Amino acid sequence: DTGVSQDPRHKITKRGQNVTFRCDPISEHNRLYWYRQTLGQGPEFLTYFQNEAQLEKSRLLSDRFSAERPKGSFSTLEIQRTEQGDSAMYLCASSRTSGRGDTQYFGPGTRLTVL
Amino acid sequence: AQSVAQPEDQVNVAEGNPLTVKCTYSVSGNPYLFWYVQYPNRGLQFLLKYITGDNLVKGSYGFEAEFNKSQTSFHLKKPSALVSDSALYFCAVRDLDQAGTALIFGKGTTLSVSS
Repeated sequence: DTGVSQDPRHKITKRGQNVTFRCDPISEHNRLYWYRQTLGQGPEFLTYFQNEAQLEKSRLLSDRFSAERPKGSFSTLEIQRTEQGDSAMYLCASSRTSGRGDTQYFGPGTRLTVL
Repeated sequence: AQSVAQPEDQVNVAEGNPLTVKCTYSVSGNPYLFWYVQYPNRGLQFLLKYITGDNLVKGSYGFEAEFNKSQTSFHLKKPSALVSDSALYFCAVRDLDQAGTALIFGKGTTLSVSS
């Protein structure tokens, strides 16, 4: 399998701009996750898709954040009206349903810097 | 609520010596436990997991972890450290008896192996 890929790897934007990130999961993985990681912290869960359905959303996912997985393959995460507090590494992970014990495999992340 | 504690921000060890990175967890149900490693500006790489069965779990790159239910711990170990093991290590937990798939991560422990 090729791994999880994310694009872009780095994004610098000005406060108030909109940004969109893309994640391509491992092929045939039906589950896809988004996490956010800030400096000195572990990843924090944002949202989860099973196929094209968004089944879980964290309270961290404010109204300015939206995620889609239209065909159950790749996913996009959009942040509208970016704020400096949005600066972080955005990580995507994917897994294949396996009873109760699936393993999440992570992509390299997109580092967002909001000026 | 689910939580993970990694009590040491940094662990220093000499090459060739055994290493231990500590992790304790809190869940109301049965835990599903992971260790991931992160190299600078990279995503997380899966090392090993525990779901059930033998309390000693073996993973990638010679790492192993011991699940201790009574102490709610899942410490990562390696008999002989390598300089290349220097990285940031994250412990994560999911409560198998709760709905939801999100992993809860600790803050991470930086492992530094000196030659």
